[in-house]
Amino acid sequence: SAVISQKPSRDICQRGTSLTIQCQVDSQVTMMFWYRQQPGQSLTLIATANQGSEATYESGFVIDKFPISRPNLTFSTLTVSNMSPEDSSIYLCSALAGAGPSTDTQYFGPGTRLTVL
Amino acid sequence: RKEVEQDPGPFNVPEGATVAFNCTYSNSASQSFFWYRQDCRKEPKLLMSVYSSGNEDGRFTAQLNRASQYISLLIRDSKLSDSATYLCSMDTGRRALTFGSGTRLQVQP
Repeated sequence: SAVISQKPSRDICQRGTSLTIQCQVDSQVTMMFWYRQQPGQSLTLIATANQGSEATYESGFVIDKFPISRPNLTFSTLTVSNMSPEDSSIYLCSALAGAGPSTDTQYFGPGTRLTVL
Repeated sequence: RKEVEQDPGPFNVPEGATVAFNCTYSNSASQSFFWYRQDCRKEPKLLMSVYSSGNEDGRFTAQLNRASQYISLLIRDSKLSDSATYLCSMDTGRRALTFGSGTRLQVQP
């Protein structure tokens, strides 16, 4: 299994500012992801955080708005840039842990609840 | 059409009842399917994986029907503690997951 922590757990930010969310996994994992969950909605994949290279973004998400770093196998950051109220959401980090494709499990961090005023 | 569709509910059932949720998917190439449970203001937690024809874990049974492209979750003898949102998900083929909108279950005393 993998235990994931995120910082901050919540924040209230002014529009136009940026927030960086940190994600720490207690063990080395092959893959890490960032999701967004807007109020009352399900999870939407933002990007796959690739270790040592640029993240792979899903349609509708761009690097300028959501820069991601993954310097090693246990840590990643997501920045929400130039925030607007529409960015108010819960941002969840996840990690894939297991022995292989048939046994891998995706674990989620507790999320960062962001409110943009 | 959404990749994954679920009835949002809520399903209100009495304790001890049996309840079933269905989830349909559009990508016939999907190989791995999962049910996650999400409590209010908490992160999703894996409830069950559904890899082949289905599997059972105590009061929970998950089934996969590839021909009709749906998966189901059956909960027997519902407990108050089963009240949560149940998210259907599947592998995108790139190891990430795509999720349904979730089905809310409320078990009543």
